[in-house]
Amino acid sequence: GNSVTQMEGPVTLSEEAFLTINCTYTATGYPSLFWYVQYPGEGLQLLLKATKADDKGSNKGFEATYRKETTSFHLEKGSVQVSDSAVYFCALYGNGGNQFYFGTGTSLTVIP
Amino acid sequence: KAGVTQTPRYLIKTRGQQVTLSCSPISGHRSVSWYQQTPGQGLQFLFEYFSETQRNKGNFPGRFSGRQFSNSRSEMNVSTLELGDSALYLCASSLELEGFKKLFFGSGTQLSVL
Repeated sequence: GNSVTQMEGPVTLSEEAFLTINCTYTATGYPSLFWYVQYPGEGLQLLLKATKADDKGSNKGFEATYRKETTSFHLEKGSVQVSDSAVYFCALYGNGGNQFYFGTGTSLTVIP
Repeated sequence: KAGVTQTPRYLIKTRGQQVTLSCSPISGHRSVSWYQQTPGQGLQFLFEYFSETQRNKGNFPGRFSGRQFSNSRSEMNVSTLELGDSALYLCASSLELEGFKKLFFGSGTQLSVL
C-alpha cells in the first residue's frame, strides 16, 4: 500500500541555518509527491510538488527532488528564517488510489 | 476569492454525543475531502465527495459519515463520540491543475471530547 514516513521533530534551528527534513515513501505505480506547510492557527497550504522522477519542486527558497531510486523527497532550504517556523507535511497522491497520504508532520522552530 | 471555510472553529462535546461539522469549499470547487489531524498520526483521510457522491473513503468506523449538498458545501457527522475522536478536523477542496491535484485547506474545527 501507499505510505509516507518523515523524520520526527521537533526541529529547532537558528536563523540562517541549513534545513533538511527527510521524507521517504512507499507507493504502487508512479505517485506525485508534495510538501505542505501549516503555519500556526492555519490550514495546510501547498509548498511545492513534483509529479515524476527526477523532478525538482521549489518555492520560497525550499527545494525537494523526487528520487525514485531511493523513494525519497527530502525538503531542503539553504538559509531558514523565523517566518519559516511551521509544521511541514510530506504527502503523496498515487496513481492506484484516489486519495492523499500524509506523513505525521515535522515541527520546525527557527530562533533569531 | 474566499478560501475554504469551516465552522465552528472549536467544539467541546462529551462522550456519547454526536457532532456535525460544516465546510464551504472555494467557489467552483466540486470536490471536498475531510481529514483527521492528531499529533501522533498526522493527517488521516476520512472521505472525499464530488458532486454530492462519496468518491473515496478511508479506514474509519461507520460512526464517521459525511454528505455533500448541491452547492458543494459538505458536512461531516460523528456519532457516539469517543475520547479518541478529539482532534483537528480539516476540510479541503481541490482542483486539478497541470496534471496534479491541489488541495486547499480550511483552518479546521478543533473537537474536544470530554
